[in-house]
Amino acid sequence: QKEVEQDPGPLSVPEGAIVSLNCTYSNSAFQYFMWYRQYSRKGPELLMYTYSSGNKEDGRFTAQVDKSSKYISLFIRDSQPSDSATYLCAMTRYNTDKLIFGTGTRLQVFP
Amino acid sequence: DSGVTQTPKHLITATGQRVTLRCSPRSGDLSVYWYQQSLDQGLQFLIQYYNGEERAKGNILERFSAQQFPDLHSELNLSSLELGDSALYFCASSASLADYEQYFGPGTRLTVT
Repeated sequence: QKEVEQDPGPLSVPEGAIVSLNCTYSNSAFQYFMWYRQYSRKGPELLMYTYSSGNKEDGRFTAQVDKSSKYISLFIRDSQPSDSATYLCAMTRYNTDKLIFGTGTRLQVFP
Repeated sequence: DSGVTQTPKHLITATGQRVTLRCSPRSGDLSVYWYQQSLDQGLQFLIQYYNGEERAKGNILERFSAQQFPDLHSELNLSSLELGDSALYFCASSASLADYEQYFGPGTRLTVT
């Protein structure tokens, strides 16, 4: 079993929809949680990070962490075609430890 | 643009050969990370250097090695290449030892034939 599980998709939604992307993990020691966005043939780009449980909002993006369920989510409101990309979750035990990535969920937002 | 540069963009080589991938971190960043991304394995951490010193190792094969030079650029050397080494290789950098704020380069696509 992988330490971090992520549905590969693809997830196809119409423009303006609310998108929910999720990851589950098995290591209860993870404390730092990140979401990266990767466009085709580009490097991953850090979108958001959160520490421990709770919500964090940045514009149309909200990151949510539920440590009791070992479950993290990224919500995208008012999705745009430009949001079409692969979204990778990543996590680590402490801020000097290596990142463990999910395999990514491919999102397609159609006009 | 993340500020991290990688060369070359594409590399095609034969099995058994050796290649060197190069990375220049963002200005001021001391930490460099190397990752391998393949379709079946996702993004796998290989190795980290901090200010010239090896800091952490991940799933890096013995045929692979890396170093970080005094000017902070880094090179990843891959030798005795096999077909299964074909992948995207990314370099990332961060200002300090804190992993969570990593900035990725555009990657080098390696094809081994």
